[in-house]
Amino acid sequence: DQQVKQNSPSLSVQEGRISILNCDYTNSMFDYFLWYKKYPAEGPTFLISISSIKDKNEDGRFTVFLNKSAKHLSLHIVPSQPGDSAVYFCAASASSSNYQLIWGAGTKLIIKP
Amino acid sequence: DVKVTQSSRYLVKRTGEKVFLECVQDMDHENMFWYRQDPGLGLRLIYFSYDVKMKEKGDIPEGYSVSREKKERFSLILESASTNQTSMYLCASSHRGLLADTQYFGPGTRLTVL
Repeated sequence: DQQVKQNSPSLSVQEGRISILNCDYTNSMFDYFLWYKKYPAEGPTFLISISSIKDKNEDGRFTVFLNKSAKHLSLHIVPSQPGDSAVYFCAASASSSNYQLIWGAGTKLIIKP
Repeated sequence: DVKVTQSSRYLVKRTGEKVFLECVQDMDHENMFWYRQDPGLGLRLIYFSYDVKMKEKGDIPEGYSVSREKKERFSLILESASTNQTSMYLCASSHRGLLADTQYFGPGTRLTVL
């Protein structure tokens, strides 16, 4: 039973446009959410996070939106750049859990020139 | 900068061999993790450790064991490698805090079991 779902295995976006990556979760106990980016042959790197007390967090070109009632979060990248081509993982955690992150399957983002 | 290193980037082993994957972090993190990543499945937690000599099973511990004798080092052991353990293995570490803290990953080990 996947508690964190990224339903789009891949997404193709024109350079300069907005990329929107989506993530759904089922566990209402999750209270902290993270996005990681992974290039081939490298480990994932932390991108941005959001606590459940917020509905938006912004860091430069990256913004994460959290809709708790819909159990949905999204990552917006504006404007998209070729270096953004990577696999993006959504992860979630409950503060009652023992340090574990629950991961989505990832979405491969391809930025077209 | 946090640095997590893994002993090998690529490894080829034969079925039945004992395999050791080593991970070292240099930021004095309390928590360390071993994941495997397979296409379409994301990252699945094998084992984690929140202190020296402490370990907890993750979602898929079968066929694996771990060792944490020193704070900076976390080893993953495949007692008898099988072809279904061919995968990308990722080690991560994090500082213990109030929330699930940011995990820092090593570059991964691509293991092929023939």
